[in-house]
Amino acid sequence: RKEVEQDPGPFNVPEGATVAFNCTYSNSASQSFFWYRQDCRKEPKLLMSVYSSGNEDGRFTAQLNRASQYISLLIRDSKLSDSATYLCVVTLQMNYGGSQGNLIFGKGTKLSVKP
Amino acid sequence: NAGVMQNPRHLVRRRGQEARLRCSPMKGHSHVYWYRQLPEEGLKFMVYLQKENIIDESGMPKERFSAEFPKEGPSILRIQQVVRGDSAAYFCASSLDRGSSYEQYFGPGTRLTVT
Repeated sequence: RKEVEQDPGPFNVPEGATVAFNCTYSNSASQSFFWYRQDCRKEPKLLMSVYSSGNEDGRFTAQLNRASQYISLLIRDSKLSDSATYLCVVTLQMNYGGSQGNLIFGKGTKLSVKP
Repeated sequence: NAGVMQNPRHLVRRRGQEARLRCSPMKGHSHVYWYRQLPEEGLKFMVYLQKENIIDESGMPKERFSAEFPKEGPSILRIQQVVRGDSAAYFCASSLDRGSSYEQYFGPGTRLTVT
């Protein structure tokens, strides 16, 4: 079983649509959670961290359910510029110094917003 | 305030040659991570280094791959005797400190093509 699994996609939506991405993680020791965005042939960039209480940043809302080991990202009123691949990312707690260093990435879900 | 720099951006090597990828972290960052992204795949962690120390190399292939982060100069990822399966995008990230509360900033990547 993969450590981080995401919707296979691609998602093709019209401008203004609401789109939701889902992600599950397999390791209950996962400590921190993020959504990254990666444009075609570019580096990944942090979109937002995900907290247990849920958090919102403008049109983006992220939710975390630790019991179900499930993370979601909701994009409202989607824009053409939202077209990208969205990566679900977790970190583990390690024993060499508390918090872990490396990020564990899902394969990503591609979003294409059409006019 | 330059971000993470990687060079070269594109590298073509014949099978059996050596590839050297360089990464200069953001100013003030002493933690460097290398990730590999195979075509149509997610990013996979390779190695985590601090100045002059390899902290975690659990994602590095056992043979042909090595990494260093000397006291002076950039971090180097070296791949000896490259094979076609090494063709991928190699991303470097840096952070101010260890742990998930410190954002990792990614460089633009080096795209290695092995012919």
